[in-house]
Amino acid sequence: GDSVTQMEGPVTLSEEAFLTINCTYTATGYPSLFWYVQYPGEGLQLLLKATKADDKGSNKGFEATYRKETTSFHLEKGSVQVSDSAVYFCALSGAPSGGSNYKLTFGKGTLLTVNP
Amino acid sequence: DAGITQSPRHKVTETGTPVTLRCHQTENHRYMYWYRQDPGHGLRLIHYSYGVKDTDKGEVSDGYSVSRSKTEDFLLTLESATSSQTSVYFCATGTSGGGAQYFGPGTRLLVL
Repeated sequence: GDSVTQMEGPVTLSEEAFLTINCTYTATGYPSLFWYVQYPGEGLQLLLKATKADDKGSNKGFEATYRKETTSFHLEKGSVQVSDSAVYFCALSGAPSGGSNYKLTFGKGTLLTVNP
Repeated sequence: DAGITQSPRHKVTETGTPVTLRCHQTENHRYMYWYRQDPGHGLRLIHYSYGVKDTDKGEVSDGYSVSRSKTEDFLLTLESATSSQTSVYFCATGTSGGGAQYFGPGTRLLVL
């Protein structure tokens, strides 16, 4: 079945450092890929998405590129801020040609702490 | 955001009692989902709905049931709560089965 593997962390960075959180996936067909962010005590918020190979999703300075050849969707940000401290989840959704049509498969999340 | 509310936001109950959690959405999204979030397990799907009265099981459905009598409401029932069901429960909605999902604020449930 579908699966998502992401670095579990925790990841601790200083403000203005470069961020990479790795995410790889296994899926049949042509999944859509997502990154979600969860701030303490809150629900998950969609951060960015990509629906086909070579698509780049971006939002709030975060970027991720859908790499079908390496089955990866790594999250990057050039300069993190203290306010980026949160848990980040990579997820995939199976496409109609295969996999699951009705649900997301999540990685286990990566805790990011950014220190001033 | 999808205008999703969950009630109650916090609940403490005793083992063996039934518990119902409610998810309400104002966006007219067709799909609705219930997840639980536990340390070390990430998010796990309990049940989902792909239309009024159309529901199906997720990966951890034992001990849970759901109902959806109208588009905007999706109820999750723990028929006889156990301590292993202590968790944070999230509702989510989506416009298409393979698309993005939008999450509610969560319900913290403690079963004593």
